[in-house]
Amino acid sequence: NAGVTQTPKFRVLKTGQSMTLLCAQDMNHEYMYWYRQDPGMGLRLIHYSVGEGTTAKGEVPDGYNVSRLKKQNFLLGLESAAPSQTSVYFCASSEGLAGGPGDTQYFGPGTRLTVL
Amino acid sequence: AQKVTQAQTEISVVEKEDVTLDCVYETRDTTYYLFWYKQPPSGELVFLIRRNSFDEQNEISGRYSWNFQKSTSSFNFTITASQVVDSAVYFCALSEANRDDKIIFGKGTRLHILP
Repeated sequence: NAGVTQTPKFRVLKTGQSMTLLCAQDMNHEYMYWYRQDPGMGLRLIHYSVGEGTTAKGEVPDGYNVSRLKKQNFLLGLESAAPSQTSVYFCASSEGLAGGPGDTQYFGPGTRLTVL
Repeated sequence: AQKVTQAQTEISVVEKEDVTLDCVYETRDTTYYLFWYKQPPSGELVFLIRRNSFDEQNEISGRYSWNFQKSTSSFNFTITASQVVDSAVYFCALSEANRDDKIIFGKGTRLHILP
């Protein structure tokens, strides 16, 4: 049982390049989330999904897109990377409907992204 | 609107001292959930505790204890007899019911335990 995994662990991009971050969970969780963590800012929610085929915006969605084609995977895309997107990105999942409200979120190990 | 405030940005204590991390929250909901997460230097986020708004009992888990007081909207975290391995950033977080389990995090408190 790997829990929540993220690929890649590190990445360096040039301004304007695109990339996709992959999050996978093997806990059969309904809900998945993408956060970014910046110094002094805590974690801020980018996008989230409450089930396969659904996505919704979080607190800081601009410049990102997401897809949830399979229940176990949640992809975060940067179409045209900017230096302001340099951050550590965390994926999380929670049981969602099956577990009731206020479910605990379990986090992946993070992806450190640098945009030059 | 929901908000979580961790006023202590950074704390340093000597090993074996007790330390309390403060967390104050704001919410209009009567049903909500509070969390603490630990982020050690390795970077991962480790779940520590979840509390719902109807359960004000304090909780103790080994050297960790949590004090939930609705009257002051606080959910403070105390480490007793601190150890160097407790050095980490600690995040307090709030989730309101019926909001897709979205969590609002505080900005974190960086705890240094000095040997």
